[in-house]
Amino acid sequence: DTGVSQNPRHKITKRGQNVTFRCDPISEHNRLYWYRQTLGQGPEFLTYFQNEAQLEKSRLLSDRFSAERPKGSFSTLEIQRTEQGDSAMYLCASSTRDSINSPLHFGNGTRLTVT
Amino acid sequence: QKEVEQDPGPLSVPEGAIVSLNCTYSNSAFQYFMWYRQYSRKGPELLMYTYSSGNKEDGRFTAQVDKSSKYISLFIRDSQPSDSATYLCAMSALRGNTGKLIFGQGTTLQVKP
Repeated sequence: DTGVSQNPRHKITKRGQNVTFRCDPISEHNRLYWYRQTLGQGPEFLTYFQNEAQLEKSRLLSDRFSAERPKGSFSTLEIQRTEQGDSAMYLCASSTRDSINSPLHFGNGTRLTVT
Repeated sequence: QKEVEQDPGPLSVPEGAIVSLNCTYSNSAFQYFMWYRQYSRKGPELLMYTYSSGNKEDGRFTAQVDKSSKYISLFIRDSQPSDSATYLCAMSALRGNTGKLIFGQGTTLQVKP
């Protein structure tokens, strides 16, 4: 168990640019989640995948955001035309199907700064 | 009003003190309750989880759930400087997307040597 891995750890970009983050979940976990955390707040749910299927998206996920999980393994989160309000920590988490016995395990996040 | 309310603190205690952290919630559909610890610049780390009312103990940590009052607590005994972190309560409904957690704001705890 190597844990949930996220890359890059920190991304600085200029407003209007596109950015992409990657998440590698724990290998046997088939559920993968993306959360966003702003300073001084708890994480907020963005979207989740069961295997390669994206099953739910939050209203927080505007049209500029897109997430994929090809082949049900790693996932990417892309933000197009970044805005300063997108500055946050983007957290990835994974779990097995039965979340009662396998709660979410989070990665250390990608911190996005939009200048 | 937020679904989950948590006092952000900061809370400062001397080493060895008993710490009490609390959250209230408004959604009676929440049945699954967790406490996460988050160190600076790190992701949340699961401490405790339960899906029933009552107490659950794990070492120096005790989680308490009172569904009738919609109130959950985390107690830390013999607190250590290494316990200094932000503590997040989280909860979800049992049906559907159980990984869709609703988090509190987090309470920042500092344990002074």
